[in-house]
Amino acid sequence: DAKTTQPPSMDCAEGRAANLPCNHSTISGNEYVYWYRQIHSQGPQYIIHGLKNNETNEMASLIITEDRKSSTLILPHATLRDTAVYYCIVRVAFGNEKLTFGTGTRLTIIP
Amino acid sequence: GAVVSQHPSWVICKSGTSVKIECRSLDFQATTMFWYRQFPKQSLMLMATSNEGSKATYEQGVEKDKFLINHASLTLSTLTVTSAHPEDSSFYICSARPFSGRGGEQFFGPGTRLTVL
Repeated sequence: DAKTTQPPSMDCAEGRAANLPCNHSTISGNEYVYWYRQIHSQGPQYIIHGLKNNETNEMASLIITEDRKSSTLILPHATLRDTAVYYCIVRVAFGNEKLTFGTGTRLTIIP
Repeated sequence: GAVVSQHPSWVICKSGTSVKIECRSLDFQATTMFWYRQFPKQSLMLMATSNEGSKATYEQGVEKDKFLINHASLTLSTLTVTSAHPEDSSFYICSARPFSGRGGEQFFGPGTRLTVL
């Protein structure tokens, strides 16, 4: 699985959009980008995933660059409950099913 | 939908005893379940992959005789920490991949905090 690079920490004001970047310059053509988050002392929560098109669901939007070497997770209106560690993971959707967690980005929403 | 439960949520045991942790997919069938371990202020580390009806696949460095995994049905996997020692104290998390597999995503349980005295 391709490695990812994320900033270790970010702050965002409550109510503003939180934009979390992820670099995955060695991503392969059949690898998807997945985002999970982990609130303190809980299991990770699936947020969104995509291959090359931008994706949106009720939680977030995922913007993937045209060359697929980087992506951005957008939480449109951050709330205090969005404070968590966010993990960007790239892997093949089927076949190799492992999720390899890096260190993630610790996002703190500030009142 | 896609809810995974774990039991117990926390457990304290004496050194040398065995502890069993259950992972259940409540509203879907899971052919594959995963077990992770997370030490304080560290990321999740995959311990093993559990496939229903077959032996688990352990990651390098994980002792299969110490961490026994049983995946007897499509909704239940168990992790037994045998002869637990204080260094086994950790946050154990399972995840399950739905049989229908919409996109390969996994759904995680809430975790079990094990403290070995």
